[in-house]
Amino acid sequence: EDQVTQSPEALRLQEGESSSLNCSYTVSGLRGLFWYRQDPGKGPEFLFTLYSAGEEKEKERLKATITKKESFLHITAPKPEDSATYLCAVGAMKKLTFGTGTRLTIIP
Amino acid sequence: DTAVSQTPKYLVTQMGNDKSIKCEQNLGHDTMYWYKQDSKKFLKIMFSYNNKELIINETVPNRFSPKSPDKAHLNLHINSLELGDSAVYFCASTPLLRRNTEAFFGQGTRLTVV
Repeated sequence: EDQVTQSPEALRLQEGESSSLNCSYTVSGLRGLFWYRQDPGKGPEFLFTLYSAGEEKEKERLKATITKKESFLHITAPKPEDSATYLCAVGAMKKLTFGTGTRLTIIP
Repeated sequence: DTAVSQTPKYLVTQMGNDKSIKCEQNLGHDTMYWYKQDSKKFLKIMFSYNNKELIINETVPNRFSPKSPDKAHLNLHINSLELGDSAVYFCASTPLLRRNTEAFFGQGTRLTVV
């Protein structure tokens, strides 16, 4: 059974302080690793899909990377509007297995 | 121009009642889903429908019955509601058979059973 573990559970950063979120996974044949952002009271919003080790994707201050066992979401010089819960998931869309997320707070 | 819309956004009801949540997507996607997010923010799939056909049922109690009248709609009916059913329920959709499986989620329905 696919498993996803995210760490840390919560992270508080000062504005401009770069850091990384971790997503460790075990899956029988990676069919895709997905990063989502979820704001309070809203549904998850798609950020990235990574399909194989070594792949990287970037969007504004976010960069996602992946190895055979884990994925990182790097946040460079974050701003308060980056505050949200970041969710990692594995599998094809027929069945996504989510982690419990990292709640990120950026302090002005 | 909401892509995936759910109604209602909030639902408070008593134990034992029967309630329904509606979902509609205007993206032309073939596959729709129901996910449940518990109090610890853990998001877990419940059902998946492709062109009105059930393709995933993840050991959900049979008090939960999804219904898809057409591929743009997926409703969730819950009978005999229990306290443990309290959660946020998300509807999602995605094109079928596309490798780039960008999923669109609705805003969620917060169900509170009292």
